[in-house]
Amino acid sequence: NAGVTQTPKFQVLKTGQSMTLQCAQDMNHEYMSWYRQDPGMGLRLIHYSVGAGITDQGEVPNGYNVSRSTTEDFPLRLLSAAPSQTSVYFCASSRDRVYGYTFGSGTRLTVV
Amino acid sequence: SQQGEEDPQALSIQEGENATMNCSYKTSINNLQWYRQNSGRGLVHLILIRSNEREKHSGRLRVTLDTSKKSSSLLITASRAADTASYFCATDTGRRALTFGSGTRLQVQP
Repeated sequence: NAGVTQTPKFQVLKTGQSMTLQCAQDMNHEYMSWYRQDPGMGLRLIHYSVGAGITDQGEVPNGYNVSRSTTEDFPLRLLSAAPSQTSVYFCASSRDRVYGYTFGSGTRLTVV
Repeated sequence: SQQGEEDPQALSIQEGENATMNCSYKTSINNLQWYRQNSGRGLVHLILIRSNEREKHSGRLRVTLDTSKKSSSLLITASRAADTASYFCATDTGRRALTFGSGTRLQVQP
């Protein structure tokens, strides 16, 4: 199993550009989440999904969209990049709430 | 706002010593989980403790949970240089996905 795969690993965007961060898992996990990690602030939840076709907002959803058309994929879209979205983004998945999450290796995004 | 807060923010110990990290949270939980993050890497799940459990062991890890005080502790015994990492607690309240604290940076000196 590849686990949770995030692409790209690094990205530089100009303010106002849009892009999609990809996340795929091959473990047939129902639960998937997107977090951003900023220095000294831990991880903050952006959006999450409890199954294909079901998504919901987390703590910091503004400026981001998600969709979950398949169990495997959970892409995160930045609609119009802003410097405040410079961060490291992590995707995670889990089989169920009583199990731990498996994390991807992250996407380091810089918005200039 | 963060559901979980770790204490201390940073901890430096010698190899062979024990490391204790604490986590406090604000609302009732279904379970509490601990994760490790090596510099520049993703998080790795260490251990999960359910709300009806008080203590759990996994190898050199010991986790306690006190729901009356809304707190948990992670003890790493006989620390090794390879344990150098950031450690995060995360809570599952049943309402959203996991909520993470800001982490404890552990440095184990060889």
